[in-house]
Amino acid sequence: DQQVKQNSPSLSVQEGRISILNCDYTNSMFDYFLWYKKYPAEGPTFLISISSIKDKNEDGRFTVFLNKSAKHLSLHIVPSQPGDSAVYFCAASVGGYQKVTFGTGTKLQVIP
Amino acid sequence: DVKVTQSSRYLVKRTGEKVFLECVQDMDHENMFWYRQDPGLGLRLIYFSYDVKMKEKGDIPEGYSVSREKKERFSLILESASTNQTSMYLCASSGGPGLGGYTFGSGTRLTVV
Repeated sequence: DQQVKQNSPSLSVQEGRISILNCDYTNSMFDYFLWYKKYPAEGPTFLISISSIKDKNEDGRFTVFLNKSAKHLSLHIVPSQPGDSAVYFCAASVGGYQKVTFGTGTKLQVIP
Repeated sequence: DVKVTQSSRYLVKRTGEKVFLECVQDMDHENMFWYRQDPGLGLRLIYFSYDVKMKEKGDIPEGYSVSREKKERFSLILESASTNQTSMYLCASSGGPGLGGYTFGSGTRLTVV
């Protein structure tokens, strides 16, 4: 049972445009959400997170939006750069509990 | 910077062998994790540990065991390797509750033939 779902396996975007990566979850107990970026042959790196008490968190070019009623979150990258080309994983956890559940990933390609 | 080091980048083992994957972190983190990454399945949690000598099963523990004798080291053991355990194995560590942001190692690509 996939509790965190990323329904788009891949996404292509032109450099300078907005990239929007989507994620849905089914477990209503999740209250902390994260995005990770992964380059080939490297481990994932933490990108940005959001607590369920917020609906938006911004860090530079990256913004995460959370819609709790829809159990949906999204990552916006503006403007997209070729170096953003990577696999992006959505993840979620319950409270302060350290176990994190990951989605299946979306491969983003930013075309110069 | 927290560093998580996995001892091998690539491993090739034979079916039935006992395989040890080692992971060391240098920031005194209590929590350590083993995931495997497979195409179309994302990252799936195998085992995790909140303290020395403590371990808990993740979502897919079958065929694996772990050992945490020292705080900085978390080992994943494949008791009898099988071809369906061919995968990318990722170790991670994190600090206290609520932080959630793991630091991952670079991964070990294990091929079982």
